[in-house]
Amino acid sequence: KAGVTQTPRYLIKTRGQQVTLSCSPISGHRSVSWYQQTPGQGLQFLFEYFSETQRNKGNFPGRFSGRQFSNSRSEMNVSTLELGDSALYLCASSGRGTMNTEAFFGQGTRLTVV
Amino acid sequence: DAKTTQPPSMDCAEGRAANLPCNHSTISGNEYVYWYRQIHSQGPQYIIHGLKNNETNEMASLIITEDRKSSTLILPHATLRDTAVYYCIGGGTSYGKLTFGQGTILTVHP
Repeated sequence: KAGVTQTPRYLIKTRGQQVTLSCSPISGHRSVSWYQQTPGQGLQFLFEYFSETQRNKGNFPGRFSGRQFSNSRSEMNVSTLELGDSALYLCASSGRGTMNTEAFFGQGTRLTVV
Repeated sequence: DAKTTQPPSMDCAEGRAANLPCNHSTISGNEYVYWYRQIHSQGPQYIIHGLKNNETNEMASLIITEDRKSSTLILPHATLRDTAVYYCIGGGTSYGKLTFGQGTILTVHP
């Protein structure tokens, strides 16, 4: 079974631009979550989608948004990039979509804002 | 958000058992304890989770105290490839959300 796939793996963007990251979950998984990881803040939850609906959201500004498609693939978008948005962005998928279930992470997208 | 407490770092000799402790005194009654690990520059890897009873899988064992305020992850025969940051998640979970702390850097040495 293929794991969680994130594309691209690396990205360099200029301040003020926008970026879209993609995540393909494990086949059959309907829940997709996004996380931001930085050296200073660690792993922080961005949002979660289940059956194309955002079900949960972390404490990030509105510049961070996402969506999920009918095939469970998900994208996240960051508009008006800031230097502080440089981070490893991780996607995780979960099969049962319940609160207490294990999640499987992709390898992440390393975003550098210059 | 719930807070877990883990030692910042631990060492273990290759072939020996690694016992990683975690305190999660604010965990709610229906929240599971999860353990993940992250090897440098990779995504976190799921290890094990449990509610009350001790759990074992092919990777590790999880021992949860009766009051559920702490747990221990046991890697029975540590190898060099087990060197990673180990995260305990004990509370603060909701739909799709895991609350990660700072974790324990486990170094396995020859």
